[in-house]
Amino acid sequence: EPEVTQTPSHQVTQMGQEVILRCVPISNHLYFYWYRQILGQKVEFLVSFYNNEISEKSEIFDDQFSVERPDGSNFTLKIRSTKLEDSAMYFCASSPVTDTQYFGPGTRLTVL
Amino acid sequence: RKEVEQDPGPFNVPEGATVAFNCTYSNSASQSFFWYRQDCRKEPKLLMSVYSSGNEDGRFTAQLNRASQYISLLIRDSKLSDSATYLCVVKGDSWGKLQFGAGTQVVVTP
Repeated sequence: EPEVTQTPSHQVTQMGQEVILRCVPISNHLYFYWYRQILGQKVEFLVSFYNNEISEKSEIFDDQFSVERPDGSNFTLKIRSTKLEDSAMYFCASSPVTDTQYFGPGTRLTVL
Repeated sequence: RKEVEQDPGPFNVPEGATVAFNCTYSNSASQSFFWYRQDCRKEPKLLMSVYSSGNEDGRFTAQLNRASQYISLLIRDSKLSDSATYLCVVKGDSWGKLQFGAGTQVVVTP
């Protein structure tokens, strides 16, 4: 069964550093998403991406965040200058249409 | 008011018993509804979509009440492996943004 994959599984970084989180969505899916979950809190939507552009973003997704689909398979989330409060689990998801979404295993980001 | 509200639990359930819990949502224009399960520090995994007519998948039954804006999940013949956090998830618009509840924890005991 096809799966969404994410790398790395755990990223530790210093405050102020840039990080890039990588995702490989399921191959025939057209819609891509990033969510985050701070420890002990609910899953929160960050951004949706379709047809090589952002279709919707949340208030969390400020100028420090960007997404890119650099080739036909990867989907990346970049945080330009990390803050302590960016520490969270980041989940990538994809869907064939704008309905059922399948989540990757997540990247745990720790900002020191 | 929270967009999606759930009783956090935990619901402690003896193995073989039935457990049911609800979720309420605030946006009456919401289009699609789901239950996901999440194991500790893992990704949300789709359990089932929820349809207006109600639907069943094995031991799991989901109901949707649009008038009262709530969704329910019932688990019959609970297994130890059903222990998890169950996330009520609502999709409100055409671009697919999912809104998650904080989850209901279920603990099935031997």
